[in-house]
Amino acid sequence: GAGVSQSPSNKVTEKGKDVELRCDPISGHTALYWYRQSLGQGLEFLIYFQGNSAPDKSGLPSDRFSAERTGGSVSTLTIQRTQQEDSAVYLCASSLGPSGGETQYFGPGTRLLVL
Amino acid sequence: DAKTTQPTSMDCAEGRAANLPCNHSTISGNEYVYWYRQIHSQGPQYIIHGLKNNETNEMASLIITEDRKSSTLILPHATLRDTAVYYCIVRVLNNDMRFGAGTRLTVKP
Repeated sequence: GAGVSQSPSNKVTEKGKDVELRCDPISGHTALYWYRQSLGQGLEFLIYFQGNSAPDKSGLPSDRFSAERTGGSVSTLTIQRTQQEDSAVYLCASSLGPSGGETQYFGPGTRLLVL
Repeated sequence: DAKTTQPTSMDCAEGRAANLPCNHSTISGNEYVYWYRQIHSQGPQYIIHGLKNNETNEMASLIITEDRKSSTLILPHATLRDTAVYYCIVRVLNNDMRFGAGTRLTVKP
């Protein structure tokens, strides 16, 4: 079946504007993760959703960042009042969940540039 | 999750085996060793994972030492398309991935 998809693939915005990034996980995957990757750096964990449990938000860098997952499937990462340091590739991953194996499969990412 | 140490970069001749080492001396008994790779401008791609036994799939082999303090990812016949950054991660299942800087593998013709 289809892999993890993300949209948009690229986003250019002005400082201070809000942006929404979307992730469609693999069908049937109950776990969903958001990461970001700055240029030349490793991945930085942001937030983790597992089924209907409360999300693990421990990686969110500030209260300008939030994420939702509706209906246990699609997720939206929202960045309010964007700053230039928010420029990065935002990656989404999904996995079957704790009862079905934990290999995470990544989407292609959204490249965010804040001017 | 335990920390991993990998060489910053490695070169490999096309058609030869690429052996990528990873040290994870503080690994605990319930932590798995995962390998991913990231080709420029793409999302990370899962390669293989294991707990204590050696593993092989269509992409690679994973050799884990008996004490589990280190492992080696083996690409048996490297091609130019295997040029990427390779990440070794140790984690407990159901946890997020803590990626380090990885090893930048360059396969040369």
